[in-house]
Amino acid sequence: DTEVTQTPKHLVMGMTNKKSLKCEQHMGHRAMYWYKQKAKKPPELMFVYSYEKLSINESVPSRFSPECPNSSLLNLHLHALQPEDSALYLCASSRRDRLYNEQFFGPGTRLTVL
Amino acid sequence: GQQLNQSPQSMFIQEGEDVSMNCTSSSIFNTWLWYKQDPGEGPVLLIALYKAGELTSNGRLTAQFGTTRKDSFLNISASIPSDVGIYFCAGRAYMEYGNKLVFGAGTILRVKS
Repeated sequence: DTEVTQTPKHLVMGMTNKKSLKCEQHMGHRAMYWYKQKAKKPPELMFVYSYEKLSINESVPSRFSPECPNSSLLNLHLHALQPEDSALYLCASSRRDRLYNEQFFGPGTRLTVL
Repeated sequence: GQQLNQSPQSMFIQEGEDVSMNCTSSSIFNTWLWYKQDPGEGPVLLIALYKAGELTSNGRLTAQFGTTRKDSFLNISASIPSDVGIYFCAGRAYMEYGNKLVFGAGTILRVKS
């Protein structure tokens, strides 16, 4: 198993909804990341978990809430989002000997907030 | 402001041509990475560089870690249609940015019609 998987692939939600994005890797990687990406722009870091502990929060609004239940899983809980939060949300992971360096990305969840 | 200057912003390729792009910064980097992203997909890691002067190949792709540690380039030889996409450089400069990767703005590769 050499990939990062993300579900769902597409998500449409209203501004009052609560939803969650899920990311999974079975490569034994010990750092996991959430990024937000707008069209034709580079990914922007949101959160980093290292050894299941939150190590970086890039001043992300509290309507985004990350969770790392175990070393293979990363969730992003969404609540009361705004239309400008519509974007591609990418999950990534890195090996313990390349922590914070080589990051392997999942295919992303395309989020639309109405 | 933009911490990594990536150029060109976009370019057109004809099949068989060699392609070159680069990233520069005023900061010293410890790691340089090159990614390719196809529409609707996540970025795919192409090459990782860890030492100043290092030259690494991956098939038709060659990347170098600049000797000043402030730049990197990526070359694609004998381009083919599936090379189109957005190429991002990314780097880690621990002293300046801690454990974050910083990304260039991307180079969009398109096919000449």
